[in-house]
Amino acid sequence: QKEVEQNSGPLSVPEGAIASLNCTYSDRGSQSFFWYRQYSGKSPELIMSIYSNGDKEDGRFTAQLNKASQYVSLLIRDSQPSDSATYLCAVRRGSARQLTFGSGTQLTVLP
Amino acid sequence: DAGVIQSPRHEVTEMGQEVTLRCKPISGHNSLFWYRQTMMRGLELLIYFNNNVPIDDSGMPEDRFSAKMPNASFSTLKIQPSEPRDSAVYFCASINTGMPAQPQHFGDGTRLSIL
Repeated sequence: QKEVEQNSGPLSVPEGAIASLNCTYSDRGSQSFFWYRQYSGKSPELIMSIYSNGDKEDGRFTAQLNKASQYVSLLIRDSQPSDSATYLCAVRRGSARQLTFGSGTQLTVLP
Repeated sequence: DAGVIQSPRHEVTEMGQEVTLRCKPISGHNSLFWYRQTMMRGLELLIYFNNNVPIDDSGMPEDRFSAKMPNASFSTLKIQPSEPRDSAVYFCASINTGMPAQPQHFGDGTRLSIL
């Protein structure tokens, strides 16, 4: 079992729809959770971080964390073609410095 | 803030040659990470340094790979001898561990092709 698992996709949604991206993790000691967006040929860039159970909203993005079920999700409302990218889930254990990344979900928003 | 700076951006070389990738972390950041990204294996941590000291190199694939951080503003990742299976994008990232909630900041990466 991989430490951090994501559906590889590709996931396609029409413009204006809600895109839902999911991630599960195996290490119950994980404390910090991040969503990175990576455009083709570019480096990962952080779009959301979440540390406690529940929802965290930032503009069109909402991160959801459920530590009991060991999953974290990212919702993108009013999806735009510019949201088309690979979304990487990353997890950090306790006070550790390193991140463990999932393999990413490729999202395509269709105009 | 200049961000994490990596060089070269692209490297194409023949199998057996030595390859050196370079990274300058963000000023004030005290932890530095080297990652490799491939389609098959995704983004993998190779090694990370804290205060210039290697902390975890368990991700380094084999002895052909080595990394150094001689000072707080410079790190190298060396592959000698290189092989075609080393072809990947190599990213460097840095953080300031004195700011617990800080995410890692990535450089633009080096796209390495070994022929």
